[in-house]
Amino acid sequence: QKEVEQNSGPLSVPEGAIASLNCTYSDRGSQSFFWYRQYSGKSPELIMSIYSNGDKEDGRFTAQLNKASQYVSLLIRDSQPSDSATYLCAVNTPAGYQKVTFGTGTKLQVIP
Amino acid sequence: GAGVSQTPSNKVTEKGKYVELRCDPISGHTALYWYRQSLGQGPEFLIYFQGTGAADDSGLPNDRFFAVRPEGSVSTLKIQRTERGDSAVYLCASSPDSGGSDEQFFGPGTRLTVL
Repeated sequence: QKEVEQNSGPLSVPEGAIASLNCTYSDRGSQSFFWYRQYSGKSPELIMSIYSNGDKEDGRFTAQLNKASQYVSLLIRDSQPSDSATYLCAVNTPAGYQKVTFGTGTKLQVIP
Repeated sequence: GAGVSQTPSNKVTEKGKYVELRCDPISGHTALYWYRQSLGQGPEFLIYFQGTGAADDSGLPNDRFFAVRPEGSVSTLKIQRTERGDSAVYLCASSPDSGGSDEQFFGPGTRLTVL
């Protein structure tokens, strides 16, 4: 079982719709969870971090964490073509808490 | 100030050669990380520095890979006897961490191609 799993996509949504990106992780002791956006040919850019169960909102982005289900998600409201990118989920590993493991990413395509 | 910087942006070398990749973190950030990213994959952890010391080097694939951070700021990733399988984008990240897990900010990366 991979430590951090994401559907590779592509996930296609029409402009203005809600995009829902999902991630599961294997280590129950993980405490920190991150979403990064990566445009083609560029480096990852931090969008959201979440540490507690529940929702965290920042503009059009909402991160959701459910530690019991070992599940973290990212919702993008009013999706724009400029949101088209690969979204990486990252989770810290408790044994070495500074070590962050990334998923393979979900490619999002927002169709105008 | 400026974000994380990495040099060179591109490096082409021949199999068997030695390469050095440099990372300059955000000023004041004590934690520095190296990752390697292959096409279609997420970044793969290599090594983490807290200050001058390597706190976790469990991701280094073998003893051809070595990294230093002698003054607690700039770091150099060194790869000896390069192999074609070392071709990837090498990413550096830093965080202001003072002991707990924290947000990491990435540099633009160095694309290494081993011919």
